[in-house]
Amino acid sequence: GESVGLHLPTLSVQGGDNSIINCAYSNSASDYFIWYKQESGKGPQFIIDIRSNMDKRQGQRVTVLLNKTVKHLSLQIAATQPGDSAVYFCAENFGTGNQFYFGTGTSLTVIP
Amino acid sequence: NAGVMQNPRHLVRRRGQEARLRCSPMKGHSHVYWYRQLPEEGLKFMVYLQKENIIDESGMPKERFSAEFPKEGPSILRIQQVVRGDSAAYFCASSPGSGSSPLHFGNGTRLTVT
Repeated sequence: GESVGLHLPTLSVQGGDNSIINCAYSNSASDYFIWYKQESGKGPQFIIDIRSNMDKRQGQRVTVLLNKTVKHLSLQIAATQPGDSAVYFCAENFGTGNQFYFGTGTSLTVIP
Repeated sequence: NAGVMQNPRHLVRRRGQEARLRCSPMKGHSHVYWYRQLPEEGLKFMVYLQKENIIDESGMPKERFSAEFPKEGPSILRIQQVVRGDSAAYFCASSPGSGSSPLHFGNGTRLTVT
């Protein structure tokens, strides 16, 4: 399944399928991006990050793709599991420290 | 190896009262960030502090809100004369330095103004 991030904030996928969550960012000068996962009642949890000198980075079951030309990020989750059900946020760095703009979020529901 | 600790987890205040939210960063982290989250929305940056210094408060309302991170003790986000619109989840995050690196978040304080 695939979402369009800000325009389609919910995504339902069958367990075992791959998920793609998309995000558009605003500032072409941003050079650092993070994907966070937030479960109900908890704070955001780091999933994976990427710097602007890369266009792809892989972690365990997750891959982040960065397209600077169109200011677009995506998060791919392989073999989605029920424990992946959560809201996913992309975040872009700004300022002199670790200040981040967060996207609206996409709610992922995994159907067992 | 405690993470970012926030307290209280839930706070109920009547309109006009003061709310104090506390945050202890991860061990070894000297940079603290406060974010606000309204229901079904993303997190909005409020303020960035280092020990005894406010570095960036561009996201914090000019009135009624203040933040500090003293030399000793937790960071405090203070909201005076709360209004219903202040009801939200307030998250604190910390990082070891100012370079681009992941923020580590606490589980938030849910403020309800009645």
